[in-house]
Amino acid sequence: NAGVTQTPKFQVLKTGQSMTLQCAQDMNHEYMSWYRQDPGMGLRLIHYSVGAGITDQGEVPNGYNVSRSTTEDFPLRLLSAAPSQTSVYFCASKIGGASYEQYFGPGTRLTVT
Amino acid sequence: AQKITQTQPGMFVQEKEAVTLDCTYDTSDPSYGLFWYKQPSSGEMIFLIYQGSYDQQNATEGRYSLNFQKARKSANLVISASQLGDSAMYFCAMRKAGNMLTFGGGTRLMVKP
Repeated sequence: NAGVTQTPKFQVLKTGQSMTLQCAQDMNHEYMSWYRQDPGMGLRLIHYSVGAGITDQGEVPNGYNVSRSTTEDFPLRLLSAAPSQTSVYFCASKIGGASYEQYFGPGTRLTVT
Repeated sequence: AQKITQTQPGMFVQEKEAVTLDCTYDTSDPSYGLFWYKQPSSGEMIFLIYQGSYDQQNATEGRYSLNFQKARKSANLVISASQLGDSAMYFCAMRKAGNMLTFGGGTRLMVKP
């Protein structure tokens, strides 16, 4: 199993550009989520999904869209990039059930100039 | 609202000694779960240990143990016999609605040889 994969690893955008961060998992996990980590801080939840076709907002959803058309993929779209979205983005997945840990991807480092 | 607080921004420990990383939480839910993750300088998030609110015993995983004091709402991580490879950021997190996580601000642990 490749686990949770994210592409790209690094990205630089200009203010106002749009892009999609890709996330895929091959563990047949129901739950997937996106977090952002700003320098010196913990992760904050952007959006999450409890299954194909179902998404919901987290703590910091503004400026981001998600969709979940398949179990495997959960892309994160930045609609119009802003410098405040400069961060490291982590995708995570888990199986159903409260006690199970989330498996994190390696992260995407995004810089918006 | 759920909140996780880690009051130690940075800590030093001598190699082979034990160290305790503090975590306090606030929630009104009777059922919750607490996690600890390690983030080395390479950036990935590594799951360490989990404690459920109804678990009767403190969780242990190898050199990691969780000192769970429910009445005090604390879930401190204890690392025994510290190794140089333990130098990293450590995050305490709590399961929230949708089984996603809310994270504390982290503690940077530095192990001295």
